[in-house]
Amino acid sequence: DGGITQSPKYLFRKEGQNVTLSCEQNLNHDAMYWYRQDPGQGLRLIYYSQIVNDFQKGDIAEGYSVSREKKESFPLTVTSAQKNPTAFYLCASRPPGRTYNEQFFGPGTRLTVL
Amino acid sequence: SQQGEEDPQALSIQEGENATMNCSYKTSINNLQWYRQNSGRGLVHLILIRSNEREKHSGRLRVTLDTSKKSSSLLITASRAADTASYFCATSTPGSGNTGKLIFGQGTTLQVKP
Repeated sequence: DGGITQSPKYLFRKEGQNVTLSCEQNLNHDAMYWYRQDPGQGLRLIYYSQIVNDFQKGDIAEGYSVSREKKESFPLTVTSAQKNPTAFYLCASRPPGRTYNEQFFGPGTRLTVL
Repeated sequence: SQQGEEDPQALSIQEGENATMNCSYKTSINNLQWYRQNSGRGLVHLILIRSNEREKHSGRLRVTLDTSKKSSSLLITASRAADTASYFCATSTPGSGNTGKLIFGQGTTLQVKP
């Protein structure tokens, strides 16, 4: 899982509540990404950030929000507007430079809406 | 959007046998990567092959790329029970610029029986 930590590992939420998932990296990477994974599916990109104080929507940003106030941290908030939030959430980061494209992943947070 | 489709969706083999999984994609790529995911964990990068490469090796892994057919294959030789995991292909496209965005396939679940 490299130098990326995600917390908590398991998260339970009642419908209508916002919840924030933590992602921290000590790899000095500029770019960070949030993905959602549903059972038996691949990863879908929610948001990404290439630099502090800047972030872009991915393919499924509706109902989610992010911030990037520090290079090391890229928290994801799942809002009550997200209709089906139960999923496995993965955070990743990428080293700087054009030619290096590998992403390093955290261990994930499993969110269950009760 | 899902660019990659993997085949088969599930594969079960005996220890010592070779495992082959395939990935097809739809648009032109800069590179194609393979990742491994153990159950309930984050993804781990295995190997990257650039669009101008045809074959690449890393230990017991062999990756081929056929850009004319828009397909790639991952071969794991002499499989071990510890190779049991899901394997995902991910593509980087020219349209992603310098964002490092990847598009993941749906994955192949490999079970290696001792």
